[in-house]
Amino acid sequence: GAGVSQSPRYKVAKRGQDVALRCDPISGHVSLFWYQQALGQGPEFLTYFQNEAQLDKSGLPSDRFFAERPEGSVSTLKIQRTQQEDSAVYLCASSKRTSGRADVQYFGPGTRLTVL
Amino acid sequence: GDSVTQMEGPVTLSEEAFLTINCTYTATGYPSLFWYVQYPGEGLQLLLKATKADDKGSNKGFEATYRKETTSFHLEKGSVQVSDSAVYFCALDHKGFQKLVFGTGTRLLVSP
Repeated sequence: GAGVSQSPRYKVAKRGQDVALRCDPISGHVSLFWYQQALGQGPEFLTYFQNEAQLDKSGLPSDRFFAERPEGSVSTLKIQRTQQEDSAVYLCASSKRTSGRADVQYFGPGTRLTVL
Repeated sequence: GDSVTQMEGPVTLSEEAFLTINCTYTATGYPSLFWYVQYPGEGLQLLLKATKADDKGSNKGFEATYRKETTSFHLEKGSVQVSDSAVYFCALDHKGFQKLVFGTGTRLLVSP
């Protein structure tokens, strides 16, 4: 079956531009996560949705970062006024359940953002 | 806060060698522990997991045991293959709420 898909796969932006990154989770998955992975590092949590509700946004690095999931399926991560330090791979993951430990998160291929 | 520490790479091995990648963690409460793998050009995928102390996760010949007393979750494989070349990430779920905390990753290179 289809996995988590993300688009675009690569994005180059000039400093100061706004960007929007899309995530299509696995159909029926309730939970959706965004992570940021800098070069040579592990992914770092940004935000978490349960259906359309954003339950945790503690990892968003600044108010330039905004995420939404208005209908509880597709999600968009928006970065306003991009800075060079925003250059990273942005990963989306989804999982089936709303609660319960050790639920498997399925990751998309990521969007590599380069800010010039 | 919660954190995961992995041994630095790259780890370079010959085919059929024994593999150990060390992982230790710091956490409040009793997290679940995971190993994820990232093959070249692919996304992260779950390799194995363990949810409580003394549990052993296993998959594709890889094993890891949840050691509460040493706060460790070392990854092992008895005989590696070239196709195991990838980056391996150790992770825990923060207070059991699914938000994953990852280590920095360890690159494994296996030569024929």
